[in-house]
Amino acid sequence: SYVLTQAPSVSVTPGQTARITCGGNNIGSYSVNWYQQKAGQAPVLVVHDDSDRPSGIPERLSGSNSGNTATLTISRAEAGDEADYYCQVWDGSTDHVVFGGGTKLTVL
Amino acid sequence: EVQLLDSGGGLVQPGGSLKLSCAASGFDFGGYAMSWVRQAPGKGLEWVSTLSGSGRSTYYSDSVKGRFTISRDNSKNTLFLQMNSLRAEDTAIYFCAKKADSVVTEFDSWGQGTLVTVSS
Repeated sequence: SYVLTQAPSVSVTPGQTARITCGGNNIGSYSVNWYQQKAGQAPVLVVHDDSDRPSGIPERLSGSNSGNTATLTISRAEAGDEADYYCQVWDGSTDHVVFGGGTKLTVL
Repeated sequence: EVQLLDSGGGLVQPGGSLKLSCAASGFDFGGYAMSWVRQAPGKGLEWVSTLSGSGRSTYYSDSVKGRFTISRDNSKNTLFLQMNSLRAEDTAIYFCAKKADSVVTEFDSWGQGTLVTVSS
């Protein structure tokens, strides 16, 4: 089955740029979605189809996808960005949804 | 505004059954695929099952296939998850989630979740 790998944690200083990666075999050929989950809340879609943002998501959050790595970039990080972030794809070979293990972003 | 209201969670003994519901509003329910995603305490998101808008196509994770059944009543805008032969490892918050369109698309709306605890 397809596996998505994320680092357990990433730290960033307020105002700096955080990059959260999602590794997978030839993930560049998949459409990647990203979700933000704050403590005690349901997940929220922040990027879909590699780099598109739903309405209401700030431009500071952006996505890219190439080769074996997809990346969620959070520019000018704020305290409110502290959350767990999950990448997700649809694996057409198995008709399964696949989530990465999640990355906890800490804004120090 | 899209709203998804999960319900039906609770405490159940190992080997028991439980049926979850998700009441949807604010969109054309029958036009969208729907899913269940769960999250064990302190763990990440795990996909459970997806059902097409028509209800004709179903998809299950390997961990629940043969034990869980996803269904929908488009006349009542409600999604269901029948869970049988429950195990301790099924303990989790269960979220219903709306697909943006078909089964292959992203989850663009989520319910608040309902907690299922499997314990004796």
